[in-house]
Amino acid sequence: NAGVTQTPKFQVLKTGQSMTLQCAQDMNHEYMSWYRQDPGMGLRLIHYSVGAGITDQGEVPNGYNVSRSTTEDFPLRLLSAAPSQTSVYFCASSHFMNTEAFFGQGTRLTVV
Amino acid sequence: AQSVTQLGSHVSVSEGALVLLRCNYSSSVPPYLFWYVQYPNQGLQLLLKYTTGATLVKGINGFEAEFKKSETSFHLTKPSAHMSDAAEYFCAVSAGGTSYGKLTFGQGTILTVHP
Repeated sequence: NAGVTQTPKFQVLKTGQSMTLQCAQDMNHEYMSWYRQDPGMGLRLIHYSVGAGITDQGEVPNGYNVSRSTTEDFPLRLLSAAPSQTSVYFCASSHFMNTEAFFGQGTRLTVV
Repeated sequence: AQSVTQLGSHVSVSEGALVLLRCNYSSSVPPYLFWYVQYPNQGLQLLLKYTTGATLVKGINGFEAEFKKSETSFHLTKPSAHMSDAAEYFCAVSAGGTSYGKLTFGQGTILTVHP
């Protein structure tokens, strides 16, 4: 049972480039979400999904897109990377009937 | 709307001493409360959670927390610190219902344990 898997673990982008951070879970969880972690700010919610085909914005959605075509996958797209998007990104999933969120290992993104 | 405040961005204790990490929350509905731990270069791991029922909850690695509604607090304690407890700790709140998994985090507290 792999849990929540994020790829890549590290990425360096140039300003203006686009990329997709991958997230997959094998626990059949309905709920998936993306957070970014910045020093002294904890984790902030970017986007979330309550099931396939349903997504919504979190606290800091600007500059990011998501889609949820399957229960298992929830990719996060950076449309045009900016230095302000340098951060550590975490994907999480949970089951509606179990309030615990399971986190991936994170993607450390640097935008230069 | 929900918010979480963790008092103290850094806490330092000696090995064997009491660990106390403070968390206060605000929530317009009955909250679900969590403590997560993050070791360097890793993801977050759930330590314990409060949903309903008993207000004193026990978690992994000897940690426990008490939900005090009147004080809007959910402080994390451990009677005797171990070197392996050194990590960053996050308090989080969820409104439950369809907000399951939609967590609001505090700023984090880095715990240092001295020999």
